Amino acid sequence: AQTVTQSQPEMSVQEAETVTLSCTYDTSESDYYLFWYKQPPSRQMILVIRQEAYKQQNATENRFSVNFQKAAKSFSLKISDSQLGDAAMYFCAYTVYNQGGKLIFGQGTELSVKP
Amino acid sequence: DAGVIQSPRHEVTEMGQEVTLRCKPISGHNSLFWYRQTMMRGLELLIYFNNNVPIDDSGMPEDRFSAKMPNASFSTLKIQPSEPRDSAVYFCASSLQTGGYGYTFGSGTRLTVV
Repeated sequence: AQTVTQSQPEMSVQEAETVTLSCTYDTSESDYYLFWYKQPPSRQMILVIRQEAYKQQNATENRFSVNFQKAAKSFSLKISDSQLGDAAMYFCAYTVYNQGGKLIFGQGTELSVKP
Repeated sequence: DAGVIQSPRHEVTEMGQEVTLRCKPISGHNSLFWYRQTMMRGLELLIYFNNNVPIDDSGMPEDRFSAKMPNASFSTLKIQPSEPRDSAVYFCASSLQTGGYGYTFGSGTRLTVV
């Protein structure tokens, strides 16, 4: 079964510091994509970053970067220079390439940012 | 592009009433998804469509739930009759069928059944 696991229900970080959110997944597929979504209190789901499984290079989007370990099936999100606006629920998600786009989500990690 | 448009944003209804949630996907996206979000169960995929055809409705909780996609620019999720346990945020999302670019979500409908 394809599953996504986020083992940290809650995380906290000091403003301007760095935090890493963990995600592991289980799959037998070789061609897939991984995503991190952010859901602030407004409830809007916002795509933060995506990673193609066939690429070894870790994706980066400004202050957000991932550590993709394909053999370990691990996909963590690092947020550098944390800002108050980063406070949100973060979801890790997975989809198999060209199978209709069905996303499988983890349970989420609630990130709080302390001023 | 205006993004994925859902309506209404909030819905309060009495138990037993019919509820219809609406979604307009992004033009050019050929996959559409309905999710339900609750504190207890997180994000649950209810049903998804590819090219307007329902592909997997195994997440639809009961026969009280039904979804349609009559054309590429419109989908509905109907609950009849509604029950208090249906109270949740319902999201619609669309994507390209390959899935590689992730979803674009609508802003969700918060449904409260009293």
